[in-house]
Amino acid sequence: NAGVTQTPKFQVLKTGQSMTLQCAQDMNHEYMSWYRQDPGMGLRLIHYSVGAGITDQGEVPNGYNVSRSTTEDFPLRLLSAAPSQTSVYFCASSPAGGLQPQHFGDGTRLSIL
Amino acid sequence: EDQVTQSPEALRLQEGESSSLNCSYTVSGLRGLFWYRQDPGKGPEFLFTLYSAGEEKEKERLKATLTKKESFLHITAPKPEDSATYLCALNRGGSNYKLTFGKGTLLTVNP
Repeated sequence: NAGVTQTPKFQVLKTGQSMTLQCAQDMNHEYMSWYRQDPGMGLRLIHYSVGAGITDQGEVPNGYNVSRSTTEDFPLRLLSAAPSQTSVYFCASSPAGGLQPQHFGDGTRLSIL
Repeated sequence: EDQVTQSPEALRLQEGESSSLNCSYTVSGLRGLFWYRQDPGKGPEFLFTLYSAGEEKEKERLKATLTKKESFLHITAPKPEDSATYLCALNRGGSNYKLTFGKGTLLTVNP
């Protein structure tokens, strides 16, 4: 089982560039979410989705967009990259009704120069 | 504001030396407290959910407990493969899926 797959694993961007972090899950999970993890801080929720066509903001949504056109995919878009967005990004999924993310991907390590 | 504080920040044990990790919290209307394990370069791996004070969950050498103010992750006779960062998170009433995470405890178990 692939679980939650994130691509790319590493990326370096210049300030002002845009890019999309990909996330796909093969468990038919309704809930998907994006977190960022920074040194000395806990994981913080960026955006989440409770099903195709439904998304909502988390704790730190500014500078990021999401959409959920299929159950399997939940891409995260950086509109205009800033150094403050240098982080490790994790995508997660869980079945409907869950209170917490159950399966995480292995992350995308993003550096903004 | 919800607060989750994990201690210690780092813990070094000898193989077989039992100990506990602490997660203290302040929240109104706790709906669930969760423990995850995170290996270097990997995403967190879900371990336990605790819903109410007095509840306990076990998995191999790990046991999680919950009181009204804190949760403990007890590690009995740890092995080097238990080395990881352990994360605590909580979900409060009113919003599914919005978790507050602690900063984690880095556990190192020496052979």
